[in-house]
Amino acid sequence: AQTVTQSQPEMSVQEAETVTLSCTYDTSENNYYLFWYKQPPSRQMILVIRQEAYKQQNATENRFSVNFQKAAKSFSLKISDSQLGDTAMYFCAFMKPPWLIGGNKLTFGTGTQLKVEL
Amino acid sequence: DGGITQSPKYLFRKEGQNVTLSCEQNLNHDAMYWYRQDPGQGLRLIYYSQIVNDFQKGDIAEGYSVSREKKESFPLTVTSAQKNPTAFYLCASSIDLLVAGDADTQYFGPGTRLTVL
Repeated sequence: AQTVTQSQPEMSVQEAETVTLSCTYDTSENNYYLFWYKQPPSRQMILVIRQEAYKQQNATENRFSVNFQKAAKSFSLKISDSQLGDTAMYFCAFMKPPWLIGGNKLTFGTGTQLKVEL
Repeated sequence: DGGITQSPKYLFRKEGQNVTLSCEQNLNHDAMYWYRQDPGQGLRLIYYSQIVNDFQKGDIAEGYSVSREKKESFPLTVTSAQKNPTAFYLCASSIDLLVAGDADTQYFGPGTRLTVL
């Protein structure tokens, strides 16, 4: 079974600064997908960024980027120019492809609560 | 507007009662999912359905039941057999096609907070 570990329960960052959230995972699969979701106080889960394991290039979405280290099974999220609206719980998630047994199901980490301060 | 709706936003239940949580999507997605979120934990999969009239158990299906009679709808019933049902419940959907691209990203509804009195 896959596991996802987020070892930082809470983090804080000053507005306009950069912060990195850590995520490690365990799997024996070679093909899979990784996601970062954001859950603000409204509790709506919002997709931040996704990465396909077969792509070597790290995914980026505006101020959000990942550092995907496949051999180390590490998938960290970097938030640049942090804004107050980035305050949220951030979840890392793993998924096997839909064509595999047990695929298309998300396995989540326990989350990192990020607070952006003035 | 396309999206996923869940109702009600808050739900209170007496012990011993069954309750049904609604999830509707107009995104024309094939697959739908139910997750449970408890404080200090990530989301855990309850049930999922990849096609109408078919569904599979997730990791914590005991005490829950679902149906998938229409593509747009995937209601979750929390039965009296669920011993600790107080939690936040999230519904999600995705295009379940065996193609690359955005096919496997799950999009979430706003959630239902269930409290057992």
